[in-house]
Parts: sequence; C-alpha cells; structure tokens
Amino acid sequence: KQEVTQIPAALSVPEGENLVLNCSFTDSAIYNLQWFRQDPGKGLTSLLLIQSSQREQTSGRLNASLDKSSGRSTLYIAASQPGDSATYLCAVRNTNAGKSTFGDGTTLTVKP
Amino acid sequence: DTAVSQTPKYLVTQMGNDKSIKCEQNLGHDTMYWYKQDSKKFLKIMFSYNNKELIINETVPNRFSPKSPDKAHLNLHINSLELGDSAVYFCASSQGSRNTEAFFGQGTRLTVV
Repeated sequence: KQEVTQIPAALSVPEGENLVLNCSFTDSAIYNLQWFRQDPGKGLTSLLLIQSSQREQTSGRLNASLDKSSGRSTLYIAASQPGDSATYLCAVRNTNAGKSTFGDGTTLTVKP
Repeated sequence: DTAVSQTPKYLVTQMGNDKSIKCEQNLGHDTMYWYKQDSKKFLKIMFSYNNKELIINETVPNRFSPKSPDKAHLNLHINSLELGDSAVYFCASSQGSRNTEAFFGQGTRLTVV
C-alpha cells in the first residue's frame, strides 16, 4: 500500500527566502508525481507534473525534482512571496489501477 | 471557462437525508474521480470511472453511489447522510488513468447537521 508523507507539516518564512518542501513515498512503482496548491476553502490547483521517467520540472519560480528509486520528491520555491502562502500537496499516481495517493500537505506562510 | 465544475459548492443538510453532488468536465477526459478531504485536510480517493465504468472503489460505505451517465459527468449520490460524512468532496478528471495530469474541481463543502 502506497504511503505518502510530507515534511514539514507547516512552514513559516519571511518574504524573499528560498525554500524546499519534501514529499516521500513508499512504493516506487508510480506513473507520475503531481504537486498541487490549495488555498483555504478552495480547490486544488496543479503546479507541476513529473513523469516517472523524468528527474525534474520547472515552472517559473517553482522547481520540482523526483528521485523515484529513493521515493522522494522536492518542491523548490525561489524568492518566496506572500501570495505563495497556501497548502502544498503532493500526489503519487500508482501503476496499479492508476489511483493517486496524496500526502497530508505542507502549509506554507510567507510573511511580508 | 471552468474545466471541472461541481455543484453545489456548499451543501448543508440534516442527518438521514439523501443528497447528490454533480460533476462535469469539459476537457474531453475519459477518467473521472471523487476524492474526500476530511477535517484534517487529508485527501483520499473514493471512486474512479473510466469511460463510464467503475475502476476504483475504495473502502467507502455503500451509502455512497457514484453515477456516470456519460464520460463528461460523474455524480455522487449519498443516502442516509451521517455527521461523519461532513467533508469537502472533490471531483477530478484525467485522460487515462496513468501518466497524465489530473485536474480538480473547486470542491463541494458538505455539512451534515
């Protein structure tokens, strides 16, 4: 059974800092890993999708890496802004039946 | 132009009632999902349909019954609502169930009183 863990559960940083969010998973038989952002009371917004054959994906100030063999992914946010404050979720899509397993999320607060 | 839309956005109802949540996607995807996010913000899959056929059915009470009239719609019907059913329910879709990106709706916040 796939288990996904995100560390830390919460993170508070001053504006402008670079930061890293971590996601680990127990079963490396995955199709892909997807990072989402969820604002309070809102839905999920897809940030980056990394296929199992890829090592990283970049979008603007975001960079996500994937090390499938060690069961880890990181989301790097450069030059953080208050608008980045949200909960960040990683989801791993397993090769069995294609369902996605989510981590508990990391709640990020960027202070002005 | 919303890709995955759910209705209603908010639903408050009494215990014992039967309610439905509707989901529609205009992305042309063939796979749709229902996820439940509990009070601790943990997201867990409930059902998945591919081309109107059920392919994933997690351990969910049989009071929950998904219905897919066509590839673009996946509705969730809940019978005899209980307090513990209070949560945010998310619909999602993807093209295939493998290596493609999943798109989520805005969620339906269900409160059972």
